[in-house]
Amino acid sequence: DIQMTQSPSSLSASVGDRVTITCQASQDISNYLNWYQQKPGKAPKLLIYDASNLETGVPSRFSGSGSGTDFTFTISSLQPEDIATYYCQQYDNLPTTFGGGTKVEIK
Amino acid sequence: QVQLVQSGAEVKKPGSSVKVSCKASGGTFSSYAISWVRQAPGQGLEWMGRVIPTLGIANYAQKLQGRVTVTADKSTSTAYMELRSLRSEDTAVYYCARAQYYYDRSGNLRFEAIDIWGQGTMVTVSS
Repeated sequence: DIQMTQSPSSLSASVGDRVTITCQASQDISNYLNWYQQKPGKAPKLLIYDASNLETGVPSRFSGSGSGTDFTFTISSLQPEDIATYYCQQYDNLPTTFGGGTKVEIK
Repeated sequence: QVQLVQSGAEVKKPGSSVKVSCKASGGTFSSYAISWVRQAPGQGLEWMGRVIPTLGIANYAQKLQGRVTVTADKSTSTAYMELRSLRSEDTAVYYCARAQYYYDRSGNLRFEAIDIWGQGTMVTVSS
């Protein structure tokens, strides 16, 4: 199985800060990488697909980049409603696997 | 807009089975695969398996092979996940989720990102 190593596991930042999360795959997954946001008690929500494409309706402060094994997810200006846990997911090979998650809190 | 509506919470005894349903409301399963993903309390996301209703194909996570079966009824646009020989470690929220599939230039089956999720079904395994 492809291992997805996501870091940090948690972070605390101020409103307006730039937030960056990284995800590393244990092997080349091209750009088959998605980012999800999950709020407590809710299902995950797709934010970024194919490493860098913004899902329809998602605010432009969210972005993604990378290919191969190293990927980055960025919130350009953290907002109170962005408090959530974020997951990366590879879907190049079965089983699709998720990173361990990054819990984002407001400082 | 398609919604995936799951069945309600379940409480089960160790060793028993559970079957969770997932109905596509406002759409069908045409050109979509339905995956099942679970999340134990306070933990991350774990893919369990998927079914492609129009192709009659199912794939499973090796860890759960033999204990899980995913099926779909195209006529009612409903997918099912059955998990057998339940253990306390199976206590989790179970999600169904949809991903479109397509064939690439080489004729290989490929999948888009999972874009729609059900609301989740809590399954508690306790004696």
